Amino acid sequence: DTAVSQTPKYLVTQMGNDKSIKCEQNLGHDTMYWYKQDSKKFLKIMFSYNNKELIINETVPNRFSPKSPDKAHLNLHINSLELGDSAVYFCASSQGRYSEAFFGQGTRLTVV
Amino acid sequence: QKEVEQNSGPLSVPEGAIASLNCTYSDRGSQSFFWYRQYSGKSPELIMFIYSNGDKEDGRFTAQLNKASQYVSLLIRDSQPSDSATYLCAVLPSGGYQKVTFGTGTKLQVIP
Repeated sequence: DTAVSQTPKYLVTQMGNDKSIKCEQNLGHDTMYWYKQDSKKFLKIMFSYNNKELIINETVPNRFSPKSPDKAHLNLHINSLELGDSAVYFCASSQGRYSEAFFGQGTRLTVV
Repeated sequence: QKEVEQNSGPLSVPEGAIASLNCTYSDRGSQSFFWYRQYSGKSPELIMFIYSNGDKEDGRFTAQLNKASQYVSLLIRDSQPSDSATYLCAVLPSGGYQKVTFGTGTKLQVIP
């Protein structure tokens, strides 16, 4: 039973489109995250969401918006996709803000 | 200066040898330190975490932390070909996981 699952695993779309990636965790964690890993494998946190408190990395464009319907889900919406958005996006969760994060399997987004 | 620095490698070691992976960080207020292993095309998975100065051992893995010198290392004893992966160092400042910074990773190759 997958602890952190995200869908889809692969996403190919055209520039200018809007897309969403879904994430669900069954670990009972109270904090969820979205990460971006670029082509050089650099992993950077985009958002963290804890008890309805959203913390945004200031470098993330406002075309990206996380939405959390409940504690177990944190979806990522991306508007007006750009070529530079191509990357692998990982969802993760942790118990509290100071514990290790557990990662989903990743979504490889390709913008053409 | 990068916040978290790792040698990108590849670090090649023969099977059965000790692999030593190093990470330096710039924020003296950092509280927690994590090592993740990432196989190609897969998500990061937690190997070790360490909070206090000194050594922490778990099976073939030993994490070492020296806050005065601002470095953390991971030793892998009796290296196996299955250990071949990229190892990511993650550093948490006092602000919690929303401020986590990952290094770019060290690629380890264990030669049979």
